Amino acid sequence: KAGVTQTPRYLIKTRGQQVTLSCSPISGHRSVSWYQQTPGQGLQFLFEYFSETQRNKGNFPGRFSGRQFSNSRSEMNVSTLELGDSALYLCASNPGQADTQYFGPGTRLTVL
Amino acid sequence: SQQGEEDPQALSIQEGENATMNCSYKTSINNLQWYRQNSGRGLVHLILIRSNEREKHSGRLRVTLDTSKKSSSLLITASRAADTASYFCATAPNTGTASKLTFGTGTRLQVTL
Repeated sequence: KAGVTQTPRYLIKTRGQQVTLSCSPISGHRSVSWYQQTPGQGLQFLFEYFSETQRNKGNFPGRFSGRQFSNSRSEMNVSTLELGDSALYLCASNPGQADTQYFGPGTRLTVL
Repeated sequence: SQQGEEDPQALSIQEGENATMNCSYKTSINNLQWYRQNSGRGLVHLILIRSNEREKHSGRLRVTLDTSKKSSSLLITASRAADTASYFCATAPNTGTASKLTFGTGTRLQVTL
């Protein structure tokens, strides 16, 4: 099976813009989670989607949102970008109730 | 916010030596997992230990869990240059879904020839 794929791999935006990141889970996986990784805060959970519904949410402002489509692909959106949003955004999938998360290669977002 | 602290923050050893890294966490858990990350790329799942288990092995990896001390350790035996990476522990909560992982601060391992 193909692994988790994320697009784009690299992105440069300026403050105030918005951005949409995409994640395609492993075939058959219905749960998609998003994480933010920064040098200062480390790896932090953003949210999880399962069967097109948000199942879990981390402690991030409302500027961070996501959605999941019927084919389990997921997108996350960050509006009104701030310099502090510069990070590696990681997507992970699992079949739904499994413990192990399968991570994609990440999207590196730079906000100037 | 991160739940776990890992130590050491960085570890440098020679090929063939063993590497031990430790993780502490704060709340009750369902399971604890270890992941590896190479140079800012995605995370690779290494091993999972459940809260009712004390020790687990997988190839050159040995994980222990002490729930009374809220701590875990990862031992990599006979290290290779290819083991050079950052290692993170992650805990899954006792309630809710296992997908909401809380990660530790990570240990950077450098294995030299």
